[in-house]
Amino acid sequence: SQQGEEDPQALSIQEGENATMNCSYKTSINNLQWYRQNSGRGLVHLILIRSNEREKHSGRLRVTLDTSKKSSSLLITASRAADTASYFCATGAGNMLTFGGGTRLMVKP
Amino acid sequence: DTAVSQTPKYLVTQMGNDKSIKCEQNLGHDTMYWYKQDSKKFLKIMFSYNNKELIINETVPNRFSPKSPDKAHLNLHINSLELGDSAVYFCASSQDWGGGNEQFFGPGTRLTVL
Repeated sequence: SQQGEEDPQALSIQEGENATMNCSYKTSINNLQWYRQNSGRGLVHLILIRSNEREKHSGRLRVTLDTSKKSSSLLITASRAADTASYFCATGAGNMLTFGGGTRLMVKP
Repeated sequence: DTAVSQTPKYLVTQMGNDKSIKCEQNLGHDTMYWYKQDSKKFLKIMFSYNNKELIINETVPNRFSPKSPDKAHLNLHINSLELGDSAVYFCASSQDWGGGNEQFFGPGTRLTVL
C-alpha cells in the first residue's frame, strides 16, 4: 500500500472557503512534502516540512505535521478557482520520496 | 525556459512494440527519476539515477530499461509493450539524491497501448 494516504479523496468547496486535506503515513520519515498537480500537467512542489517541525506557512498554505500520529494536514485559506487541482503528500525517508494517491480539490467560482 | 522536459507528450502504440521516452533537465541537478502514474492517479517510483548511476530500481519488469548518457538526461526504453503499461510517465529531477529534496517534474508522457 502507499506510504502516504490522503483524505478525503475528493473535496468540493466554494471560492473563498478554506480547504483542508489530510495525509497519514505508516513508517518513520525525515520530511513530508506537498505537491500540486493541475489536470494534464506534472507535479509542482508546494512545501516541505521536516520531521522536527510542527507547522509551516507559505502564502495561503499552512502545513502541520504530527509525527506521533503519523499525520499531516494541508490547509489552503481563502481558496480560489485556480486552486482546483490534485494535491499529493509525499513522505521522504532514506533516499526515496513516496507519494500518496492524492486529494482532488474543486473550487467552484 | 523549461526546467524538465519530456518527449513525446503523447505516445499511442500497439502491443508488442518497443518505444522510448526522452527526458532532459537544465537545472544542473545530479539526480533524475522516472515515475508511473496510473489511471487512479497513484504515482509510483520506477527508477532513480544519481550522476548517471542507478540507485533505485523498484521491481520494475526488465522490459523497462533506463539509460542515462549524462546527468542531464534520463531516457526510458520499453520493450514488448503490454496493455498494462498504459499510464502517464513522469520524469523528475532533484539537486541530489535523498528523500529530503524538492523534486521538479516534467509535463508527463501519456502512453496508450492498444
